[in-house]
Amino acid sequence: KAGVTQTPRYLIKTRGQQVTLSCSPISGHRSVSWYQQTPGQGLQFLFEYFSETQRNKGNFPGRFSGRQFSNSRSEMNVSTLELGDSALYLCASSPWTDSYEQYFGPGTRLTVT
Amino acid sequence: DQQVKQNSPSLSVQEGRISILNCDYTNSMFDYFLWYKKYPAEGPTFLISISSIKDKNEDGRFTVFLNKSAKHLSLHIVPSQPGDSAVYFCAATQGGSEKLVFGKGTKLTVNP
Repeated sequence: KAGVTQTPRYLIKTRGQQVTLSCSPISGHRSVSWYQQTPGQGLQFLFEYFSETQRNKGNFPGRFSGRQFSNSRSEMNVSTLELGDSALYLCASSPWTDSYEQYFGPGTRLTVT
Repeated sequence: DQQVKQNSPSLSVQEGRISILNCDYTNSMFDYFLWYKKYPAEGPTFLISISSIKDKNEDGRFTVFLNKSAKHLSLHIVPSQPGDSAVYFCAATQGGSEKLVFGKGTKLTVNP
């Protein structure tokens, strides 16, 4: 079974731009969560989607948004990029919501200049 | 306010010896704990977990111990192998939530 895939793997953007990251969960998995990893803050939860509905949200500004499609694929969007948004963005999937064990993709490395 | 803390940024052990990675938490509502391993340029990989109703869980060379009164858990790797060299993250959650709260990780180096 193929793992979680994320595209693109690397991205360079300029301050003020917006970016969209994509995540395809493991086949059959319906829950997708997003995390931001930075050296200073570690791994921080952004949001979780299940059946196209956002079920949980972390403590991030409204510039961070996401959505999930009927095939469980998910996208996250960051608008008006700031230098501090430079991070590794990780997507994780699990078979259903309220499932503790999540399977992570390789991440998208976003650099904001 | 860091709810999950891994106070040792790094740990170095000899091959064949025991590796002990520690994790402390502050939120008494956490009821499930997980360990993830991360290699460079890869996402974290689930390793082992433990429910708050248990105090020990074993899976091969990996054992997790939970001390609820001390709000402390530890991961034991016996025997350690060079391939275990990675960053290990402790994570916690409550009430079946998908929201995992992670520690900042401990980099384990196993020397041949």
